[in-house]
Amino acid sequence: QQQVKQSPQSLIVQKGGIPIINCAYENTAFDYFPWYQQFPGKGPALLIAIRPDVSEKKEGRFTISFNKSAKQFSLHIMDSQPGDSATYFCAASKNGGSQGNLIFGKGTKLSVKP
Amino acid sequence: DGGITQSPKYLFRKEGQNVTLSCEQNLNHDAMYWYRQDPGQGLRLIYYSQIVNDFQKGDIAEGYSVSREKKESFPLTVTSAQKNPTAFYLCASSIGLAGVYEQYFGPGTRLTVT
Repeated sequence: QQQVKQSPQSLIVQKGGIPIINCAYENTAFDYFPWYQQFPGKGPALLIAIRPDVSEKKEGRFTISFNKSAKQFSLHIMDSQPGDSATYFCAASKNGGSQGNLIFGKGTKLSVKP
Repeated sequence: DGGITQSPKYLFRKEGQNVTLSCEQNLNHDAMYWYRQDPGQGLRLIYYSQIVNDFQKGDIAEGYSVSREKKESFPLTVTSAQKNPTAFYLCASSIGLAGVYEQYFGPGTRLTVT
């Protein structure tokens, strides 16, 4: 019940394409769903996050879609660029993350070809 | 310049030695966290602390110890009891805003034990 399953493990798209990364969770108590971007040898950076009271959130070229009934959420990257090549992690937490209990997916390595 | 610093960036130790990883933040965040990252894996929580002089075990606390004597500092000791200590260690901090605790990560320390 504590797992967050992320897919695909790796993804290759052409510049300008729209990569989509999916995550599924089991615990219906989760109420905070952030996405992180990590470049090799660096710490993860918070990209965008969503609460279950909305079905979609956009920040720049990044969009989270959230399906509460299916217990799934996904990250879309519009007009992808080679600089977006990184590993992306989804995560989920109860109580807005107040108790340090962020559960991470295993990551998706994205490669955007020029 | 606000942020989270971790030192050193690379650390090498012999098996059987304890080693302490440093984490400092000047963001005035109340909560701090330690994660471990292994290749192809998500981040796994080792310990977290919500206030000074208090901390809780995460999912993989065995073989690790922490202290929180100051708000800005949360050092992690990897003891000789940790069976597979070679990994990338990430420190994070957070503060609650509108019921959400966004976690921000430091640059990480790569520990190699031989």
